[in-house]
Amino acid sequence: GENVEQHPSTLSVQEGDSAVIKCTYSDSASNYFPWYKQELGKGPQLIIDIRSNVGEKKDQRIAVTLNKTAKHFSLHITETQPEDSAVYFCAARQGAQKLVFGQGTRLTINP
Amino acid sequence: DSGVTQTPKHLITATGQRVTLRCSPRSGDLSVYWYQQSLDQGLQFLIQYYNGEERAKGNILERFSAQQFPDLHSELNLSSLELGDSALYFCASSVAPPGLAGGDTQYFGPGTRLTVL
Repeated sequence: GENVEQHPSTLSVQEGDSAVIKCTYSDSASNYFPWYKQELGKGPQLIIDIRSNVGEKKDQRIAVTLNKTAKHFSLHITETQPEDSAVYFCAARQGAQKLVFGQGTRLTINP
Repeated sequence: DSGVTQTPKHLITATGQRVTLRCSPRSGDLSVYWYQQSLDQGLQFLIQYYNGEERAKGNILERFSAQQFPDLHSELNLSSLELGDSALYFCASSVAPPGLAGGDTQYFGPGTRLTVL
């Protein structure tokens, strides 16, 4: 089955700098890759997703890139703000199979 | 607010007991998913229902069961509870099952924190 590894487990950046979180997946048939943000005491919230027929997708300060050959995808957050502090999860899914989540990255934005 | 509601927010119980967690999906969503989140296991998929029928099973223990009712709300039943069952339990919903139009995006509820003493 699918296995997703996420790095780093913790990330601390200065406000205004960029943050990058990387995930690798094992099943080359996976075709859907969402990213979720989980704030303290809340459920995960979808922030951006990408499908395997696209290499990059942007939404304001957030972007996701996908390298199908290397089987990895990354989340990029630019001009970080204090409200970006949260735990971020990547996930991967092949067709109608279940979503498999990475272990999460705790992002801290230092003012 | 995702539109998915879960009750109760917190639940404290003893080993060997049985509890029921409740989830109401977003209006119009037919698929419901249950996940367990613990510190050492991350987010683990348990089970999925679509329009009242079970569609997929993940790492769900035999002591756990779930169902989706005609009004589309879902309940997760946990029995013979053990200390290791202490975790956050999330429900998510989507318009359709994964792989179909509208089935990719899952909206998560706020979760139920279960503590087994």
